[in-house]
Amino acid sequence: DAKTTQPNSMESNEEEPVHLPCNHSTISGTDYIHWYRQLPSQGPEYVIHGLTSNVNNRMASLAIAEDRKSSTLILHRATLRDAAVYYCILRDYTNAGKSTFGDGTTLTVKP
Amino acid sequence: NAGVTQTPKFQVLKTGQSMTLQCAQDMNHNSMYWYRQDPGMGLRLIYYSASEGTTDKGEVPNGYNVSRLNKREFSLRLESAAPSQTSVYFCASSHRAVLTDTQYFGPGTRLTVL
Repeated sequence: DAKTTQPNSMESNEEEPVHLPCNHSTISGTDYIHWYRQLPSQGPEYVIHGLTSNVNNRMASLAIAEDRKSSTLILHRATLRDAAVYYCILRDYTNAGKSTFGDGTTLTVKP
Repeated sequence: NAGVTQTPKFQVLKTGQSMTLQCAQDMNHNSMYWYRQDPGMGLRLIYYSASEGTTDKGEVPNGYNVSRLNKREFSLRLESAAPSQTSVYFCASSHRAVLTDTQYFGPGTRLTVL
């Protein structure tokens, strides 16, 4: 199964952009790249997903490398409420049961 | 809408005891999932139900059973709890179990097995 690799932790200053990287060198052609985040003592929350093209929504942007072996979640202006663990996940769109969560990146936002 | 609800929020069991974790969703979703999250780690899929009447194993199904009672409810049963099953259990649902559907998670059940 394809795996994802993320840095254990990152820090950012409030109101500055944050770039959270994810490596997935063994990604398959049927894997979508999803990002979720988990605030302390809560269940994960959907952030964004994509297949090949860069994606934007109200929460974040997702930049996907041309070879799809890596991606970057971009928070344009970090707030204190963005402090969470961010998970990069590969979801096989032909098999819903295959959903690989990595260990995530703990984002700390400093005021 | 309550979204995805889980009961109980906390539970302590002794080794060998059994219990059922309950999950319900009010979003008319077809697919439901059970994950476990061990301290400091990501989520691992235990079982999922792509639609009412079907269930399939995920990454770590050993020691668990599931029942998709109806479209709304998906329960997880531990027949003989072991300390290795101490974890936080999350239930999730999505409209479909294919393509790119967003999963909505419940608040979790913290289970300790002594």
